[in-house]
Amino acid sequence: QVQLQESGPGLVKPSETLSLTCTVSGGSISSHFWSWIRQPPGKGLEWIGYIFYSGGTTYNPSLKSRVTISVDMSKSQFSLKLSSVTAADTAVYYCARVTGGYSYGYWGQGTLVTVSS
Amino acid sequence: QSALTQPPSASGSPGQSVTISCTGTSSDIGGYNYVSWYQQHPGKAPKLLIYEVTRRSSGVPDRFSGSKSGNTASLTVSGLQTEDEADYYCNSYAGNNTPCVFGGGTKLTVL
Repeated sequence: QVQLQESGPGLVKPSETLSLTCTVSGGSISSHFWSWIRQPPGKGLEWIGYIFYSGGTTYNPSLKSRVTISVDMSKSQFSLKLSSVTAADTAVYYCARVTGGYSYGYWGQGTLVTVSS
Repeated sequence: QSALTQPPSASGSPGQSVTISCTGTSSDIGGYNYVSWYQQHPGKAPKLLIYEVTRRSSGVPDRFSGSKSGNTASLTVSGLQTEDEADYYCNSYAGNNTPCVFGGGTKLTVL
């Protein structure tokens, strides 16, 4: 069974860069799209972007200028960097795998990142 | 503001059926048969229920069904159970530049 686990700092200062890693186990990182999705406290889901295992990326246009998603196949990991963060970037960040029909069939448990000085 | 529009709340009694709508445009829901639905209990990650408009994810009871007409997709939960009380989100593919758009979510209350 495919499992995903997010890791990274739970607190980031305003204007700094948020960095998270998702470790994939129980399956290959090859031949799939891998995504980051976030959820501000008490609000809905927002798609951040995804990366194909070979490295091609697509980002949410509203975040594109600040987002970088990368993949490390040797470690079965993919990562998120979000620059120049503000309080509005405070959210639970989920990593997920794209499955049939552009759906998201596998999710990590999520990690809360708070932006505060 | 979410790209897809869902009612903020819905409710029903145990055993009843409830339908949650998700309205988009011809650029997302209306343009592709790539609508998915997710169930999220408090403090938990979303769980895939339906993909490609009507297909149930593995292990999802057949009480959950999906449909689409024009630019509006719907999720129907039949035979409501107390454990169905959760937030539900729709999602659609919207083309190469914006492959994923979510609805704002619907809180389902089982009375």
